[in-house]
Amino acid sequence: AQSVAQPEDQVNVAEGNPLTVKCTYSVSGNPYLFWYVQYPNRGLQFLLKYITGDNLVKGSYGFEAEFNKSQTSFHLKKPSALVSDSALYFCAVRAYGGATNKLIFGTGTLLAVQP
Amino acid sequence: DVKVTQSSRYLVKRTGEKVFLECVQDMDHENMFWYRQDPGLGLRLIYFSYDVKMKEKGDIPEGYSVSREKKERFSLILESASTNQTSMYLCASSLGQGPYNEQFFGPGTRLTVL
Repeated sequence: AQSVAQPEDQVNVAEGNPLTVKCTYSVSGNPYLFWYVQYPNRGLQFLLKYITGDNLVKGSYGFEAEFNKSQTSFHLKKPSALVSDSALYFCAVRAYGGATNKLIFGTGTLLAVQP
Repeated sequence: DVKVTQSSRYLVKRTGEKVFLECVQDMDHENMFWYRQDPGLGLRLIYFSYDVKMKEKGDIPEGYSVSREKKERFSLILESASTNQTSMYLCASSLGQGPYNEQFFGPGTRLTVL
């Protein structure tokens, strides 16, 4: 079965410190992986995606994600957290089967950055 | 920039009412999706459409129907609203059949069924 797991409901980090939001996946073929961010009372915004090639993917707002095939992980990272990064983060994987690019989403991780 | 708009940000309805949620995208995307978002459950796919008049059930279609008469518009219908349909509803669209195309989301409609 295809699935995405975000093992942490919440991540707390001090402003200026590096942050990591974890994601692991399970798919039957090549993984296409995505990260989205949701600010309060807003829709989801696309951050970055992994298709193929370099395992380190750079995205919006200084975020990057590291694809690790052997560990089936796609962790989101940022070298120096900002208070404005506080939001809900979702990892997603492309679902195989069917005629279109369905995504399977994780349950989300709330990132809280303390000043 | 892709823009996905939803007809209402907040909606309050009574049990048994028929509810229409409208979504419009302005980038000529083939694919459109309806999700519901609940705390601790993430996003769950209700229905999606990959072409005009085409629709496919997602993971939780029970109690919902959809309509796509024009490429830019995708409607979600709650035939007889129930309290367990109180949720945040998100519409999204994406381009073509490529597996690597990201989805673009609307701002969401927070529906409360009393």
